[in-house]
Amino acid sequence: ETGVTQSPTHLIKTRGQQVTLRCSSQSGHNTVSWYQQALGQGPQFIFQYYREEENGRGNFPPRFSGLQFPNYSSELNVNALELDDSALYLCASSADINTGELFFGEGSRLTVL
Amino acid sequence: GENVEQHPSTLSVQEGDSAVIKCTYSDSASNYFPWYKQELGKRPQLIIDIRSNVGEKKDQRIAVTLNKTAKHFSLHITETQPEDSAVYFCAASKGGSYIPTFGRGTSLIVHP
Repeated sequence: ETGVTQSPTHLIKTRGQQVTLRCSSQSGHNTVSWYQQALGQGPQFIFQYYREEENGRGNFPPRFSGLQFPNYSSELNVNALELDDSALYLCASSADINTGELFFGEGSRLTVL
Repeated sequence: GENVEQHPSTLSVQEGDSAVIKCTYSDSASNYFPWYKQELGKRPQLIIDIRSNVGEKKDQRIAVTLNKTAKHFSLHITETQPEDSAVYFCAASKGGSYIPTFGRGTSLIVHP
């Protein structure tokens, strides 16, 4: 069984740039969530996708957008990067929208200069 | 929306002692309460969870208790070991979409 994988693991961008982060969900999982984890903080919910449709969104501006593909992999796009976007971005998949356990990837560490 | 408060932010214990981490939540509709462990540089992993229809759940050295009336839940770790050192996050969510709101985390340090 393949776990959740994310790419890239680390990246550095400058203010105003755009970034795309990618996530492959665990085999058999149809629900993907994205979280932002600032240093020393708990994960903050960005949005969730279920069967290619956005199912919920946290308190993040529209420049944070996402997609889920037919194979249930997903990507997170952030436009017009700001310094405060520097964080660890975690992707988590779950077997179905009605199951509680999240399986996290290792994360993508984004630094915005 | 849901708000989860977690205390303490740091907990230092001697090997073999017990550790208790406490969380409160604000939304009385929340009914699923997972706990995740995140070792340094690693991904968060579920260690135990509890649903609102039970008051306590135990798995070997860890246990979770839930008080729905007071809207708080706690993680108990007995006979702590150095490998228990990590950041622990509590979370609360509602059934249907199970989108958890996380606490800010507790850094547990177990001294040999």
